[in-house]
Amino acid sequence: DVKVTQSSRYLVKRTGEKVFLECVQDMDHENMFWYRQDPGLGLRLIYFSYDVKMKEKGDIPEGYSVSREKKERFSLILESASTNQTSMYLCASSLWEGANEQFFGPGTRLTVL
Amino acid sequence: DAKTTQPPSMDCAEGRAANLPCNHSTISGNEYVYWYRQIHSQGPQYIIHGLKNNETNEMASLIITEDRKSSTLILPHATLRDTAVYYCIVRDSGGSNYKLTFGKGTLLTVNP
Repeated sequence: DVKVTQSSRYLVKRTGEKVFLECVQDMDHENMFWYRQDPGLGLRLIYFSYDVKMKEKGDIPEGYSVSREKKERFSLILESASTNQTSMYLCASSLWEGANEQFFGPGTRLTVL
Repeated sequence: DAKTTQPPSMDCAEGRAANLPCNHSTISGNEYVYWYRQIHSQGPQYIIHGLKNNETNEMASLIITEDRKSSTLILPHATLRDTAVYYCIVRDSGGSNYKLTFGKGTLLTVNP
């Protein structure tokens, strides 16, 4: 079974802090994704990575950066957290970029005070 | 710019079939219909996808109308654990179109 794990289920940070969200997948998938989910807005893609050190912006990349130094790990970085980044963050992976199935982690609920 | 329309909520009795509708009247010829679901406090989970033929797997069946403008996801014997938000997604499979665009979905509540 594919497993996508995220470093924290719940996280509370203060405005201005640098925040790291970590995601690890164990099935040698090429592609990894970061989404955020907000009530009434559905899931929105923040960034996508199709290979180590490769990334593409999604629909809402502003205020975020990502890092993929190893194939299994994809990190989302909030350089200076703001209250409007309070959200549920979901990581996903897929075998290749057009693969039918994306496998999602359990999510990290981030609160920025 | 929603590509799909789903009812916001539905109820189903445990053990009965749950039929979840989805309208996608602007679907193009190379776009597939995908279904995912999200159980409370979990990440979304893939269920099934199809192009124009009906599809069945161990989780569900997908019925796509001949004109492809609508589809129905069928859970043949719903259980309490099937209570979730169900998302119908239209996507061009293959190539570089990797993005899944989730709308608001249908909250299915399975009642005992």
